[in-house]
Amino acid sequence: GAVVSQHPSRVICKSGTSVKIECRSLDFQATTMFWYRQFPKQSLMLMATSNEGSKATYEQGVEKDKFLINHASLTLSTLTVTSAHPEDSSFYICSAHRQGMNTEAFFGQGTRLTVV
Amino acid sequence: GNSVTQMEGPVTLSEEAFLTINCTYTATGYPSLFWYVQYPGEGLQLLLKATKADDKGSNKGFEATYRKETTSFHLEKGSVQVSDSAVYFCALISNTGGFKTIFGAGTRLFVKA
Repeated sequence: GAVVSQHPSRVICKSGTSVKIECRSLDFQATTMFWYRQFPKQSLMLMATSNEGSKATYEQGVEKDKFLINHASLTLSTLTVTSAHPEDSSFYICSAHRQGMNTEAFFGQGTRLTVV
Repeated sequence: GNSVTQMEGPVTLSEEAFLTINCTYTATGYPSLFWYVQYPGEGLQLLLKATKADDKGSNKGFEATYRKETTSFHLEKGSVQVSDSAVYFCALISNTGGFKTIFGAGTRLFVKA
C-alpha cells in the first residue's frame, strides 16, 4: 500500500518560535499534497493544497505568511508554522495522492503541535 | 460547492447492537466516497471506500453502499464491539473539487460493554 510518513508526531514549542512539519510519501510520487488542521473534537479543515514545484494554494482565511508550505520534490512537502502562538496549537495532518491517481488520498499519522 | 453531512453524535450503543451512521453528500461530477475512523489521540485510518454508484465498500464488519439516487453513503455494522468506540468521518473526493478530501463533521461512537 501507499505510505505517507509525517514527522514529528508530537512537538512542543515556545511562543514566537517556528516549527517545521514534514510529510513524505515513502513508496510513491505525489504531485499534490494537502495540509489539514483539526481542532479538538472537530473535523478536519483543509488549509492548503501543495503542488510540487509551484506555490501552494491556500484556503480562505488561512494566513500564507504564517503557514509556509514548500513542496520541493515529488515525495516531500513541509509545513512551517512561523511565530507560533498558543492558538496555533492543533493537530495537523497531511495527505498525498499518487501521481496520476487522484481519487484516493493517503494520510500521514498527524502532528500534534502544542505552543506554550 | 461539495459538502458532506453526517449525523450528529455522540452515538451510544451497547455491545453487539446494530450501528448506522448516516451520511449524505452534495457534489458535482462523480465523487469517490470514504469512511475514515479516528481513535483517541491518533490519526485517520481508512475504513472503507466506494468509487462509483452501487459500489459497496466493506471492512472489519463495516459496510456502506454508494447510493447516487439518494446521494448517501451510510455506514453500518451488524454487531458493534467496545473496540469500535471512535470518531467516524464520512468524506468525498471529487474531480470537480480539486481532488481535495471534504470531510463531514464526524460522529463519535461510544460502545458500552
